[in-house]
Amino acid sequence: RKEVEQDPGPFNVPEGATVAFNCTYSNSASQSFFWYRQDCRKEPKLLMSVYSSGNEDGRFTAQLNRASQYISLLIRDSKLSDSATYLCVFDTGRRALTFGSGTRLQVQP
Amino acid sequence: GAGVSQSPSNKVTEKGKDVELRCDPISGHTALYWYRQSLGQGLEFLIYFQGNSAPDKSGLPSDRFSAERTGGSVSTLTIQRTQQEDSAVYLCASSPMTGSGNTIYFGEGSWLTVV
Repeated sequence: RKEVEQDPGPFNVPEGATVAFNCTYSNSASQSFFWYRQDCRKEPKLLMSVYSSGNEDGRFTAQLNRASQYISLLIRDSKLSDSATYLCVFDTGRRALTFGSGTRLQVQP
Repeated sequence: GAGVSQSPSNKVTEKGKDVELRCDPISGHTALYWYRQSLGQGLEFLIYFQGNSAPDKSGLPSDRFSAERTGGSVSTLTIQRTQQEDSAVYLCASSPMTGSGNTIYFGEGSWLTVV
C-alpha cells in the first residue's frame, strides 16, 4: 500500500461550487498533517495545517480522521483562482514531510 | 534573502555530464530538504539535513546523487553522469527545525533537462 493516496483528478467544477478531496495515509505514526497548494510550474506552498478537531480558514475546511487514516479538504464557493493541485502532506516526526501526488482542481467560469 | 533561493533556475545538460544544484535556505533555518518532481508527478523525497549532517539519505535514487551542506547554510546537490531520467525539477525547502508540525518553505526549484 502506498504511504499516501490521493485521487489525481482532475476535478472540474463550476465557479461557486463546493468540492472536497480526501487523502488516505498508511503510517499510523503520522503526527502532523497539512494541505499544500501547487500552481502550475510553481513550488508548493502551505495552504493550511490539519488539526485533530478540524479547522477552518475562510472558505477552506480541513478535517482529520485518525481511525480511518484520512484527511480531507473542503472548498466552498470555488473561485477561478482556486485552480491548482492540492497536495496532502504528513509528518511522522522521523524524517522529512511525505507528500501525496496531488489532486488537480480546475474551476471553470 | 527572505525566501529559499535556488540556482540555477534552469539547466540543460548533456547526458553523462555532472551538474551541481545550489540551495540557500531561509536564514536561521536549521533543517534543509531536497525533493524531486518529475513532470506531472508528485514530490519524491531525496535527502534532508539537520545542521550539516544528513540523518536520512534514503531517498537518493542512486550513488550518482550526493549532497552536502556546509556552515549549516548553503547546500549543494550533485548529480554525476546525468541520465535522461534525471530530468525533473529539483526543489529545496527549509524549516526552522525538523520535527512534527514544522512548516517547510520551498524555493522555486531548479529545472533540469538532460538531453
